[in-house]
Amino acid sequence: QVQLVQSGAEVKKPGSSVKVSCKVSGGTFNIHTITWLRQAPGQGLEWMGKIVPILGIKKYAEKFQGRVTITADESTRTVYMDLRSLTSEDTAVYYCARGADWFDPWGQGALVTVSS
Amino acid sequence: DIQMTQSPSSLSASVGDRVTITCRASQGIAHFLAWYQQKPGKVTKLLIYAASTLQSGVPSRFSGSGSGTDFTLTISSLQPEDVAIYYCQNYNSGSSITFGQGTRLDIK
Repeated sequence: QVQLVQSGAEVKKPGSSVKVSCKVSGGTFNIHTITWLRQAPGQGLEWMGKIVPILGIKKYAEKFQGRVTITADESTRTVYMDLRSLTSEDTAVYYCARGADWFDPWGQGALVTVSS
Repeated sequence: DIQMTQSPSSLSASVGDRVTITCRASQGIAHFLAWYQQKPGKVTKLLIYAASTLQSGVPSRFSGSGSGTDFTLTISSLQPEDVAIYYCQNYNSGSSITFGQGTRLDIK
């Protein structure tokens, strides 16, 4: 079955960037949409963007336009989410998940802490 | 964006109870609704999509209903392993994907 395994927790300084990875095992890698979401401490879930590797299609939430880039490496079956110009409000658990409408399965999440 | 409002925000029920969680959309979303279960230290789990379709492998005590603006997630007989936070999610075409604020479910 398909599994998504994410990179580990990170601590970043304000103004820096973070790149979170999501390795996909099982299934056919490039035909499925991979979506990125995040959840700030004690808050709900927020959709950030998605990629369809086989089509090269990417879509980002308006809130993150210009600050986020999602890429895919078919050779390693890994999808990346790069978020720039970090502030304390970007402290959150970042999730990858398969799907464009509903999401299944999810990665385990990666905590990104932004602190000076 | 379409706003999703869940109620209650938290509830406590006894093992064996029937539990219902409600999700209301700020505008009609037909049947474009999913439900998820989130437990500490566990991977977030899809329970239901298309408002009422049970995801493979999910226990049959879970069910979903509704269309348009009002939706419900029902657990027919609460089990200890159902302690979790439950989220609804809208995926109406042409609109941004949005989630409810979550409902925390505990055992009494």
